[in-house]
Amino acid sequence: QKEVEQNSGPLSVPEGAIASLNCTYSDRGSQSFFWYRQYSGKSPELIMFIYSNGDKEDGRFTAQLNKASQYVSLLIRDSQPSDSATYLCAVPPRSGGYNKLIFGAGTRLAVHP
Amino acid sequence: ETGVTQSPTHLIKTRGQQVTLRCSSQSGHNTVSWYQQALGQGPQFIFQYYREEENGRGNFPPRFSGLQFPNYSSELNVNALELDDSALYLCASSTGQSTNYGYTFGSGTRLTVV
Repeated sequence: QKEVEQNSGPLSVPEGAIASLNCTYSDRGSQSFFWYRQYSGKSPELIMFIYSNGDKEDGRFTAQLNKASQYVSLLIRDSQPSDSATYLCAVPPRSGGYNKLIFGAGTRLAVHP
Repeated sequence: ETGVTQSPTHLIKTRGQQVTLRCSSQSGHNTVSWYQQALGQGPQFIFQYYREEENGRGNFPPRFSGLQFPNYSSELNVNALELDDSALYLCASSTGQSTNYGYTFGSGTRLTVV
């Protein structure tokens, strides 16, 4: 089992729809969870982080965390073509003392007009 | 407050050569982490430097080495370049060793090995 898993996509949604991106992780000791957005040819940009079970909302983005199921998701409401990018889930594992991020391979999102 | 800066932005090297990539950390940050991102994959942890000492290393061979200077800037050196070393190399700075608060990446160095 990979430490952090994401569906590679592409996930295609129409403009204005809700995009739902999912991520599972293997280390139960992980305490924080991050979502990065990466446009083609650019470096990853931190867009959301969550520490506690439940939902965290920031503008059009909502992060959801379920530690019992080892599952974290990102919802993007009112999707825009500018949201088209690869979304990376990242988790600092307890092993190694939380001194690194383990990334999933990313889910490519395409928002079409 | 300046962010993380990396140089050069692009680089083309020949197999077998050596390369040095540079990273200037954000003001007030004492930790630098390096990642390699191959095409179509997520970034992979290379190593972290905290107060000029290596503080954790990923699954990379010894030909990947690094340094951190007293001003907390850092270098990544790769010897005996291989074609598979072609990737985007990312640097991030933070305060302290823990990544539980996440960090911001620099714009990266695109290395192509031919």
